[in-house]
Amino acid sequence: DVKVTQSSRYLVKRTGEKVFLECVQDMDHENMFWYRQDPGLGLRLIYFSYDVKMKEKGDIPEGYSVSREKKERFSLILESASTNQTSMYLCASSPTFQSGELFFGEGSRLTVL
Amino acid sequence: AQSVAQPEDQVNVAEGNPLTVKCTYSVSGNPYLFWYVQYPNRGLQFLLKYITGDNLVKGSYGFEAEFNKSQTSFHLKKPSALVSDSALYFCAVRPRPSGNTGKLIFGQGTTLQVKP
Repeated sequence: DVKVTQSSRYLVKRTGEKVFLECVQDMDHENMFWYRQDPGLGLRLIYFSYDVKMKEKGDIPEGYSVSREKKERFSLILESASTNQTSMYLCASSPTFQSGELFFGEGSRLTVL
Repeated sequence: AQSVAQPEDQVNVAEGNPLTVKCTYSVSGNPYLFWYVQYPNRGLQFLLKYITGDNLVKGSYGFEAEFNKSQTSFHLKKPSALVSDSALYFCAVRPRPSGNTGKLIFGQGTTLQVKP
């Protein structure tokens, strides 16, 4: 089975702190994604990567950056956390072929005080 | 703009009754269509997808979905609901062509509540 692992399930940070959210997948998938989930808004794409060291902005990239130094690992970085970044963050991966579905991690719930 | 709509925030059904969770989309071309389920404090789990062919797609846990091209809909269905089906359901589409990036566009989600 495909496994997408998010290292932190729950985090509490203070405004202005730098936050790292780590995601690792074990299926050699080319594509990786970071989504943000908020009630009533569904999932919104923050950033995605289709290859090592490649990244593209999603719909809401402001306040976030990403890093993909190895194929299996995709990190989301909040340079200076703010209270409006309190949310559930979901990492996902998928193979390249067009009809491939996304495989999700368990999510990281971030609270910024 | 491309979008996915789930018109109902919540669907309530009695156990044993059939259920339908609605989804419509506004995407050009012939997209791939997906349904996911999310249990509390968990990630999303894949239920089923439509690529091409038969309009009725069968998936996990007894769920199925009906693709209707003229109505641009992809409603999720189950003949007999279980209390354990209570969860948050997301419809998603992948436009074609989408290159090799595999991005999905998600609806806002529908909470399904199945009562005993």
